[in-house]
Amino acid sequence: KAGVTQTPRYLIKTRGQQVTLSCSPISGHRSVSWYQQTPGQGLQFLFEYFSETQRNKGNFPGRFSGRQFSNSRSEMNVSTLELGDSALYLCASSSTGTSRSTDTQYFGPGTRLTVL
Amino acid sequence: DAKTTQPTSMDCAEGRAANLPCNHSTISGNEYVYWYRQIHSQGPQYIIHGLKNNETNEMASLIITEDRKSSTLILPHATLRDTAVYYCIVSRQGGKLIFGQGTELSVKP
Repeated sequence: KAGVTQTPRYLIKTRGQQVTLSCSPISGHRSVSWYQQTPGQGLQFLFEYFSETQRNKGNFPGRFSGRQFSNSRSEMNVSTLELGDSALYLCASSSTGTSRSTDTQYFGPGTRLTVL
Repeated sequence: DAKTTQPTSMDCAEGRAANLPCNHSTISGNEYVYWYRQIHSQGPQYIIHGLKNNETNEMASLIITEDRKSSTLILPHATLRDTAVYYCIVSRQGGKLIFGQGTELSVKP
């Protein structure tokens, strides 16, 4: 089975621009979660989507948004980029996004976003 | 709140067992213990998880104390490729994992 894929892998933007990142979950997985990783804050949860609905949201400003399509693929968007948005953005998928033993969350390789 | 405490860093000699401890004294009865690792700038890799019993897979063994307040991840024969940051996670809210700072394991030749 193919793993979680994320595109693009690297991205350079300037302040004020917007960016869209894409995530394709493992086949059959319906839950997709997004995380931001920075040296100062570590790995932080952004939001989770399940069956095209946002089910959980972290403590990030409204500039960060996402969506999920009927095939479970997900996108996240950051508008009006700031320098502090430079980070590794990680996507993870699981079957149903529950805390059941069999529902392990698997991560993609991440998208490295640099804001200049 | 990550609810876990791990040493910031550890060293291990190549070929020896690496034992990574994790304290989770406030763990709830139905919370699993998950271990992930992250090799520099890559996505976290799932290693193993458990609830009460000790678990073993092809990558590692997980030993959970009887009171469930701590656990140890064991890499039986560490290699240079095991150098990574190891995260112990007990806080999971559905699709949300709460990461702590992890342990930076350096495997040395």
